[in-house]
Amino acid sequence: ILNVEQSPQSLHVQEGDSTNFTCSFPSSNFYALHWYRWETAKSPEALFVMTLNGDEKKKGRISATLNTKEGYSYLYIKGSQPEDSATYLCASSNRDDKIIFGKGTRLHILP
Amino acid sequence: GAVVSQHPSRVICKSGTSVKIECRSLDFQATTMFWYRQFPKQSLMLMATSNEGSKATYEQGVEKDKFLINHASLTLSTLTVTSAHPEDSSFYICSATGTGDVDSPLHFGNGTRLTVT
Repeated sequence: ILNVEQSPQSLHVQEGDSTNFTCSFPSSNFYALHWYRWETAKSPEALFVMTLNGDEKKKGRISATLNTKEGYSYLYIKGSQPEDSATYLCASSNRDDKIIFGKGTRLHILP
Repeated sequence: GAVVSQHPSRVICKSGTSVKIECRSLDFQATTMFWYRQFPKQSLMLMATSNEGSKATYEQGVEKDKFLINHASLTLSTLTVTSAHPEDSSFYICSATGTGDVDSPLHFGNGTRLTVT
């Protein structure tokens, strides 16, 4: 059974500062890693799906890296803005087609 | 694009009654839909996977007779919580994918907060 861990559980960041958080997952039989942003009262929104070791993806001020050999992914936010406040979910899937979610990192941007 | 609509967003029902939750893909055909449940401070837990026109695949520990899933068309899946009890109170959310591949992003509904009194 996959166990996806995210840290920290919660994070407060001053507006304008950059930040990052971690998702760790079992590296054996890995197939894909997903990142989602979930704002309050909205639906989770897909940020990235990554499959290759060393993959790095970017969307505006947000980027993510993937290390499939050691089983971790980092999500980076550059120059945090109030609209970045959300829960960031990580999910991993193996070749058995199950997508397993972590508990999320709750990000609060302080004005 | 890729909008998923889930209704209702919030429902309160009495113990012993049944509740139906709908999940619709508005602008794409969802070959596969997933149903999740989330308890406070926990991760999204997959309950079942439904493919259009076939029986849903339930995760271990999820009672298929209690959580009835129907995926009758490429744009609609429903989850019916039958004979609901207070322990069924939770947050239920659906997601859909057009390809069914695990390396395709999931498109989520807004979720349904179920309270059973």
